[in-house]
Amino acid sequence: AQSVTQPDIHITVSEGASLELRCNYSYGATPYLFWYVQSPGQGLQLLLKYFSGDTLVQGIKGFEAEFKRSQSSFNLRKPSVHWSDAAEYFCAVGGSSNTGKLIFGQGTTLQVKP
Amino acid sequence: DTAVSQTPKYLVTQMGNDKSIKCEQNLGHDTMYWYKQDSKKFLKIMFSYNNKELIINETVPNRFSPKSPDKAHLNLHINSLELGDSAVYFCASRKDGALYGYTFGSGTRLTVV
Repeated sequence: AQSVTQPDIHITVSEGASLELRCNYSYGATPYLFWYVQSPGQGLQLLLKYFSGDTLVQGIKGFEAEFKRSQSSFNLRKPSVHWSDAAEYFCAVGGSSNTGKLIFGQGTTLQVKP
Repeated sequence: DTAVSQTPKYLVTQMGNDKSIKCEQNLGHDTMYWYKQDSKKFLKIMFSYNNKELIINETVPNRFSPKSPDKAHLNLHINSLELGDSAVYFCASRKDGALYGYTFGSGTRLTVV
């Protein structure tokens, strides 16, 4: 079955500290992977995506993610967190089908301490 | 200019009523989606249209009916609303091709009382 697991429901980090949000996926075909961020009361914004090639992808707002096929993981990282990064983060997986259907993880809430 | 716009942003209604949520995108995208986000923030796909053709129809009560009058619009009509329908409903669009992620609207918070 296709699924995405974000093991950490809630993470708190201090401003300026590094961040890693975990994402594990189960997908039968070649996965296309995405990270989205949702600020309170807002829609989801695409941070970055992976389709092929270099397994380390750069995104907006200083985020990056690394695809590890052997671990079925696509973890999101940021070297130094800013207070404005506090939000909900969603990992999603899809494939090359024409429908473009994405399966989302349950999300990780990031809290940033001053 | 708002890329994917949903109306209304908030909707409070009584059980048993019928309501509609509208979505419009001005990006020229080919495919549009409806997702439901429950109280635990879990996002689940409901429907998708590609150029006015229904391409995804997940296990959703038939009280929910999507309609796409043209490529730029995808509306969601809900009959006989129930308490469990309370959620945030997101519209999204995507340009054809797996390389493209979704562009989301800002959501419609539906509360059934």
